[in-house]
Order: sequence, then C-alpha cells, then structure tokens
Amino acid sequence: DAKTTQPTSMDCAEGRAANLPCNHSTISGNEYVYWYRQIHSQGPQYIIHGLKNNETNEMASLIITEDRKSSTLILPHATLRDTAVYYCIVHGSITGNQFYFGTGTSLTVIP
Amino acid sequence: DTGVSQNPRHKITKRGQNVTFRCDPISEHNRLYWYRQTLGQGPEFLTYFQNEAQLEKSRLLSDRFSAERPKGSFSTLEIQRTEQGDSAMYLCASSLDTVEQFFGPGTRLTVL
Repeated sequence: DAKTTQPTSMDCAEGRAANLPCNHSTISGNEYVYWYRQIHSQGPQYIIHGLKNNETNEMASLIITEDRKSSTLILPHATLRDTAVYYCIVHGSITGNQFYFGTGTSLTVIP
Repeated sequence: DTGVSQNPRHKITKRGQNVTFRCDPISEHNRLYWYRQTLGQGPEFLTYFQNEAQLEKSRLLSDRFSAERPKGSFSTLEIQRTEQGDSAMYLCASSLDTVEQFFGPGTRLTVL
C-alpha cells in the first residue's frame, strides 16, 4: 500500500543540510507524517512526526506543506553517522497499528 | 541496556525445521510489534500485541507463523516448517500507548 513516494537515493556533503522530500498526496485529515531512519544492520529509529505544523527536535526538523500533500525532513548539519535509509510514513488511527515503511531514501553523507 | 532486545541475533536453519525467536520489549511498554524485512525493502508489519492480546495480524502472517506474548511481557515468534522464502530479518518493536515505536536489533534468519 504505497502511501508515500520518496527518492530512492540522495547524497549530501558533510556539514551541510540534508533535505529529504516525501510526497503523500492521498493523506487524510487524521493521518500524521512520521519519519524513521535505519542505519545499516540496525533496527529503525524514530526521528520525528507531525500533523500539519512544522516540528523540530534535537535530531531534525519536519516541514509539512499547507495542503499536507508533501513534507521535507531536514537534518541541519549532516554527519557521516547520518548515512542511513530514511522512511517517510503516513499513519492514522484508521490504519490501525500497522506502519507501512515503503523502500525509503538511502542517504549517503559524503566527507 | 534498557532497549528492546532480541534473541538470537542470527539463526541458520534447514528448510522444514521450526524456529522460535524471542523479543524482550522495553520494560512497561504495553504494545509490541513484529515486522519482517527482506533485503532492499522496508520493514513489513506482521502482528501487534497490546499487553497479552494479539489485536492485529497481517496477511503476511501465514498459518506457519504464530506469535505469543504471555503475561504481556516478552514475546515469541515461531515459524513452523520453514521455507527459503522465510529468510529475512525479523524485527520487534515496542511502545507505550504512543505511535513512536522502539525497535530491537532484529534476528536474521537464513533458511538453507
């Protein structure tokens, strides 16, 4: 059930901001946007989530467009340890407790 | 370490054998999830427990798969009569009445 569309891969220079886009044009009003990442050989790690307002935490910022059909995850100062697969997930109570991860964006931070 | 733990980390078995994996969630987390991940794909939901009750099961969870969470603490995932197509990483996650899920390191299963 492809609810989100993400680029397959991206590169980012170390120290620069990494901007990871996600399209979720069929998002419904009660669905949140979640971002997780998965570093090689580890389990996924929660990053951030939001409904319609922009959100920021110690890891990243989440910018959601006004029509909520797309969002961008921003890692303000990418480091080599941010190299991972980043998953954008749309989830709401109507979908129960299932998270649909999709294939994500493979981000490579280049020294 | 108070994170989610999974055992074993790796399991190699022959086709037709039964295997069982264990997940110990973060203490007091009432929700527990099992996922399966194959190479190049994101995790796919298998099943969900709230306390000891198994509330959701994916169509991916064939009748050869069974999961339990006795007493609402640790959980086990058993695969009977394993097939080569069962080779994957099996991930467990837990949460406390929130949607933020904390994942374990996974158990990598190889069926020969």
